[in-house]
Amino acid sequence: NAGVTQTPKFQVLKTGQSMTLQCAQDMNHNSMYWYRQDPGMGLRLIYYSASEGTTDKGEVPNGYNVSRLNKREFSLRLESAAPSQTSVYFCASSELGTGKETQYFGPGTRLLVL
Amino acid sequence: GNSVTQMEGPVTLSEEAFLTINCTYTATGYPSLFWYVQYPGEGLQLLLKATKADDKGSNKGFEATYRKETTSFHLEKGSVQVSDSAVYFCALLTGTASKLTFGTGTRLQVTL
Repeated sequence: NAGVTQTPKFQVLKTGQSMTLQCAQDMNHNSMYWYRQDPGMGLRLIYYSASEGTTDKGEVPNGYNVSRLNKREFSLRLESAAPSQTSVYFCASSELGTGKETQYFGPGTRLLVL
Repeated sequence: GNSVTQMEGPVTLSEEAFLTINCTYTATGYPSLFWYVQYPGEGLQLLLKATKADDKGSNKGFEATYRKETTSFHLEKGSVQVSDSAVYFCALLTGTASKLTFGTGTRLQVTL
């Protein structure tokens, strides 16, 4: 039982390049999330998927797109990377929202945009 | 909107010292409250949670009580260990779409 897995662990991009961050969970959770973590700012929600087939914007969606490929997988795409997107990205999953559920986090992807 | 304020770090303590990390929140409705911990180089993991007023969450010697009257959820531990060195995040969850709102995190460093 791997929980939430993310690939890659680390990536360096040049400004303008594109890439997709992959996330998968094996806990049969309905909801999945993408966060970014920046120094002094905690974690901020980029996009989330409350259930398979739905996606919604979070607090900081600009410059990102997401795909909920199936119940297990939720990918985050940067179409044209910018230095402001240098961050650590975390994927998380949880049961369908009741307002009490725990979110389970992956190990993170560290992204550097030059 | 929802927000979480937690004390600035870093907090440096000697082993076996008492720990308090303050957390206050602003939210509409009745949120659930969480403490997550992030060890170096790892993702976040749940430390404890409380889902209604006056509930106490506890785990690994850490405790926090959901105080609705003071909108607080302070984290405490009676005797910290070097292995508790990590970043601690206070967070709240509201029913709408289950979106977590995080505080900025408090780094704890415990020395021998």
